[in-house]
Amino acid sequence: DAGITQSPRHKVTETGTPVTLRCHQTENHRYMYWYRQDPGHGLRLIHYSYGVKDTDKGEVSDGYSVSRSKTEDFLLTLESATSSQTSVYFCAISESSGTGRKNEQFFGPGTRLTVL
Amino acid sequence: SQKIEQNSEALNIQEGKTATLTCNYTNYSPAYLQWYRQDPGRGPVFLLLIRENEKEKRKERLKVTFDTTLKQSLFHITASQPADSATYLCAPYSGGYQKVTFGTGTKLQVIP
Repeated sequence: DAGITQSPRHKVTETGTPVTLRCHQTENHRYMYWYRQDPGHGLRLIHYSYGVKDTDKGEVSDGYSVSRSKTEDFLLTLESATSSQTSVYFCAISESSGTGRKNEQFFGPGTRLTVL
Repeated sequence: SQKIEQNSEALNIQEGKTATLTCNYTNYSPAYLQWYRQDPGRGPVFLLLIRENEKEKRKERLKVTFDTTLKQSLFHITASQPADSATYLCAPYSGGYQKVTFGTGTKLQVIP
C-alpha cells in the first residue's frame, strides 16, 4: 500500500446521498484506476485516468463519476448512492499503460462502503 | 465476450508441496498476463507478469507459464508455506489503456 492512500477507509451512508471517495498517490504515476470488488465478481473497473483531466469509463461506470485535477488525486463520486453500490472500492496506480514495461498496478488499502 | 476462469473452490495443500493454480481465458488473445496476491482486507499485490512470447517466468519460489494455444496460465508455488495462504488473482491484458481484466481468484490454504 506504500504511496497510495484512500479515504475514508469505511463509510456507511443512506440511499440517495452523494458520496465521494478519495485516492491520493505520492508516486507521480500517470495512470489511476477505481475498482469495486464484490463476492463472485472479482475486481471490476469503474473508471480510469490516463492523465490530469483525462478519464474514461470502465465496465461498471453507471452511477459513478470521477475527477482528476491533480496528478496525485483521483476522486470517485457516487452521485446518488444505491444499495447495489455497497462494495469494497480499490484505487490503483500504474506507471505505464498498455503493453509498456512498467504496467503492473499498485493498489491502495480499499474503502468499505455500505449503503443502507 | 471475454471471460476469465479461475477455480472458485479453495485449494488446500500440505506445507512443502507445490501449489498449482489455473487461469483460463476465452474470446481474446492477451499480449500479457499478470498474477496478483490478495490477503483478506487488503488490496491486491502484484507478483509476476508474463508476456505472450514467454513460455515461463520465475521469481524465487514462484513460476508462471503461459500457453497461448490452450489459452491458459498456470501459477506454481514450490515448497509452499503457511504464509503463502491468500487469494491469487490472474489478470490478462484486455487491450486499450492498461485494461487488465481480473479473474475472481483462487483461495489457497497451506496447511502446516
